[in-house]
Amino acid sequence: GQQVMQIPQYQHVQEGEDFTTYCNSSTTLSNIQWYKQRPGGHPVFLIQLVKSGEVKKQKRLTFQFGEAKKNSSLHITATQTTDVGTYFCAGPIRYSSASKIIFGSGTRLSIRP
Amino acid sequence: DADVTQTPRNRITKTGKRIMLECSQTKGHDRMYWYRQDPGLGLRLIYYSFDVKDINKGEISDGYSVSRQAQAKFSLSLESAIPNQTALYFCATSDHRTSETHNEQFFGPGTRLTVL
Repeated sequence: GQQVMQIPQYQHVQEGEDFTTYCNSSTTLSNIQWYKQRPGGHPVFLIQLVKSGEVKKQKRLTFQFGEAKKNSSLHITATQTTDVGTYFCAGPIRYSSASKIIFGSGTRLSIRP
Repeated sequence: DADVTQTPRNRITKTGKRIMLECSQTKGHDRMYWYRQDPGLGLRLIYYSFDVKDINKGEISDGYSVSRQAQAKFSLSLESAIPNQTALYFCATSDHRTSETHNEQFFGPGTRLTVL
């Protein structure tokens, strides 16, 4: 069935190193959202991308939406301990007359100080 | 005060028991969702509601039921709990009153359910 896949599942980096997580959909998405969940917390919305090829930045975070609108990435430059958590992408998948948001399985980022 | 609240926050129950998880929101949003989270599986959609008394199945609705009797409340029931329903459950809301675009979702703090 239609899926939103995310890799890698885990990433362990040294503080100061960069981090990237990738999201791929089996179908074209009208938009894609990214969320962050801190350990023990709930998912919190980071950003939504809508346009083909769109790139948005939030300080050290760079979000990209692929030209075909089937993939997306989140890149963190020079990670800090505050970046620890699980990052999820989410995209609307159409079922019959309605669509619903499907989340990727997430990438858990841990950081060595 | 939190905009999206869930009760209880933790619950331990036995196989076969009926369990209800409650979600309330003060954001005035029209859409509400129930997800379950399992390690390595991300967030999977159980049910969602676009308005009062509107109910739609998600990816994994078997074994669950929901009720949306008021805009601010969306309850999730497990009619006969089983151990593989042990998980972290999240409620979420989103606002689509002015736009059909899938807007950001606001999540509650979660309910940790253990079925023995």
